[in-house]
Amino acid sequence: EDQVTQSPEALRLQEGESSSLNCSYTVSGLRGLFWYRQDPGKGPEFLFTLYSAGEEKEKERLKATLTKKESFLHITAPKPEDSATYLCAVMTTDSWGKLQFGAGTQVVVTP
Amino acid sequence: SAVISQKPSRDICQRGTSLTIQCQVDSQVTMMFWYRQQPGQSLTLIATANQGSEATYESGFVIDKFPISRPNLTFSTLTVSNMSPEDSSIYLCSVDRASSEQFFGPGTRLTVL
Repeated sequence: EDQVTQSPEALRLQEGESSSLNCSYTVSGLRGLFWYRQDPGKGPEFLFTLYSAGEEKEKERLKATLTKKESFLHITAPKPEDSATYLCAVMTTDSWGKLQFGAGTQVVVTP
Repeated sequence: SAVISQKPSRDICQRGTSLTIQCQVDSQVTMMFWYRQQPGQSLTLIATANQGSEATYESGFVIDKFPISRPNLTFSTLTVSNMSPEDSSIYLCSVDRASSEQFFGPGTRLTVL
């Protein structure tokens, strides 16, 4: 059975304090791993898609990396506006277009 | 990216009634999806909405409870039928672009009393 596990469940950071979120996965075959940001009361906002081990993508203070078993979302020098829930999801090779989500990591960045 | 709108944005409904949620996309897309996000939970896929064919439902979701229409490549509806308080959730539609990016609408927040 395919599984997606995110850790930690919650993360409280001081502004400027870099950290990483983890998304570990067990799937039959990975088509892509997706990262989203979700603010309260809103739909998920697409951040990245990673396809193969060793791949990295960056957007502003966020950097996503992928291995064969897990993905990391690094937040460098976070600001309060980076506070959100970060979701990862997998798309497998036998489920075109369908995303299976982890439970998310709630990040709070304090000034 | 894709611009996706949903109507209504929120609603409060009585037990036993039905609500139809609309999803409109600003460009033609092959694949549209409906997800549910229960309070404090992550997203769970309900079904895939295919234009010109029946929707494909995930385990635990049935057509009688969640009928879906997909009349063209830019529009879909999800109906939540015979509602109970357990149906209180955020319902989201999404569109997929060649499995490289998937974009979500703003969601419909449903409360069932």
